[in-house]
Amino acid sequence: GDSVTQMEGPVTLSEEAFLTINCTYTATGYPSLFWYVQYPGEGLQLLLKATKADDKGSNKGFEATYRKETTSFHLEKGSVQVSDSAVYFCALRGDAGNMLTFGGGTRLMVKP
Amino acid sequence: GAGVSQSPSNKVTEKGKDVELRCDPISGHTALYWYRQSLGQGLEFLIYFQGNSAPDKSGLPSDRFSAERTGGSVSTLTIQRTQQEDSAVYLCASSLGRGARPQHFGDGTRLSIL
Repeated sequence: GDSVTQMEGPVTLSEEAFLTINCTYTATGYPSLFWYVQYPGEGLQLLLKATKADDKGSNKGFEATYRKETTSFHLEKGSVQVSDSAVYFCALRGDAGNMLTFGGGTRLMVKP
Repeated sequence: GAGVSQSPSNKVTEKGKDVELRCDPISGHTALYWYRQSLGQGLEFLIYFQGNSAPDKSGLPSDRFSAERTGGSVSTLTIQRTQQEDSAVYLCASSLGRGARPQHFGDGTRLSIL
C-alpha cells in the first residue's frame, strides 16, 4: 500500500537558517503530494501541494518539488523564523484512494 | 464559521462507555473524512464519505467504531465500549469532492479514556 517516510525530529535550527525536511513516498501511479503544518495548540493546515511530477508547491516562503524519479517531496525554506516552529507532515493522496496517507511528522524548533 | 467545526474539543470518559464525536464540515464540501492522531500510530485514516455514496470504512480499526453522515453534512463518529487504546485526537476534514482538492481539517477532539 501507499506509505510516506519523513525524517524524524526534532529539528532544531537558529533563526534565519536554511531548512530541509526530507520526505519520500511509495505509491502506485501518480499521487498528489502535500505538506501540512500543525502549530502548537492548533489544527492541521495545508501548507502547499503538488499534483504532478516536477510541479513545485510554494507558500509562506516554503517550497517543495514533486520528484517522481526519486519519489521525493522535500520541504525547504531559505530562512526560518521562530514563528515557523511547528510539526510538519508530508502526505500523499493516491490514484485509487481519496484519503491522505501521512508521514510520521517532523517537529521543527527555531531558536532566536 | 468558515472552517471545519468539531465538538467537543475535549472528552474524558471511563473505559467501557460509548462516546460520540461530531463534525460540521465546510458548507458545500461534499467529501468528509475522519482521521485519528495518536502517539504510537501517527495520523491514520478512519472513514470517508462522498455525497450519497456508500462510505469507505476501510480504516476503521474495529467494529466498535462507526460513523454516519446525515443529510450530506454533519457527521458523527461513535466509539462503543471504549478502550484505553482509543485515546487519541480525532480529526475531521472536508473537501470539495475527490482528487487533488485539499482537505481542510478541524481542530480535533482530544479523547482520553480513563
